[in-house]
Amino acid sequence: EAGVTQSPTHLIKTRGQQVTLRCSPISGHTSVYWYQQALGLGLQFLLWYDEGEERNRGNFPPRFSGRQFPNYSSELNVNALELEDSALYLCASRAVLNQPQHFGDGTRLSIL
Amino acid sequence: AQTVTQSQPEMSVQEAETVTLSCTYDTSESNYYLFWYKQPPSRQMILVIRQEAYKQQNATENRFSVNFQKAAKSFSLKISDSQLGDTAMYFCAFMKHGNNQGGKLIFGQGTELSVKP
Repeated sequence: EAGVTQSPTHLIKTRGQQVTLRCSPISGHTSVYWYQQALGLGLQFLLWYDEGEERNRGNFPPRFSGRQFPNYSSELNVNALELEDSALYLCASRAVLNQPQHFGDGTRLSIL
Repeated sequence: AQTVTQSQPEMSVQEAETVTLSCTYDTSESNYYLFWYKQPPSRQMILVIRQEAYKQQNATENRFSVNFQKAAKSFSLKISDSQLGDTAMYFCAFMKHGNNQGGKLIFGQGTELSVKP
């Protein structure tokens, strides 16, 4: 069974630019989560998508957004990039509520 | 709001020995889940072990076991017969039960474990 896949593995952007990160969940998983792992801030919940809808978001500004497609894959978009957006962005999926989440390898985003 | 605290930023252990990582949490919920994830240098988060709060029996997965003390809100991870491949960052995580938060994980700050030969 293929795990959660994320692309790209690494991105370098400059301040003010926009970026799109992609995530494909494990087959059969309908929920996708995004987390930000920034140095010194730990892992923070960003967004939760289920059945194509945004169900919950963490304490992040509106320039962090995303969507989930009919095949349950997901995109995370970040507009007007700031230096503090430099982080590892992790995607996770789960099949059923209250089951563990399974994570991808992450996308390392570096802002210059 | 729930919080998770890992008070040991770094730990080291000799190969084949036993090590215990600490985690405490704060919640007013009675039904929830606790997890330990490991993140090796390859950076993928890997589920190590899971505990349901309503179960009194401590979870065990091969060399990994937990000591779950619900009243004390403590959830420590014991790694027996440590192996070099156990070198990683270990995160304790909390998840509320039910639909309200949709399974959002709240993580501790992590403990970096080094297994020395």
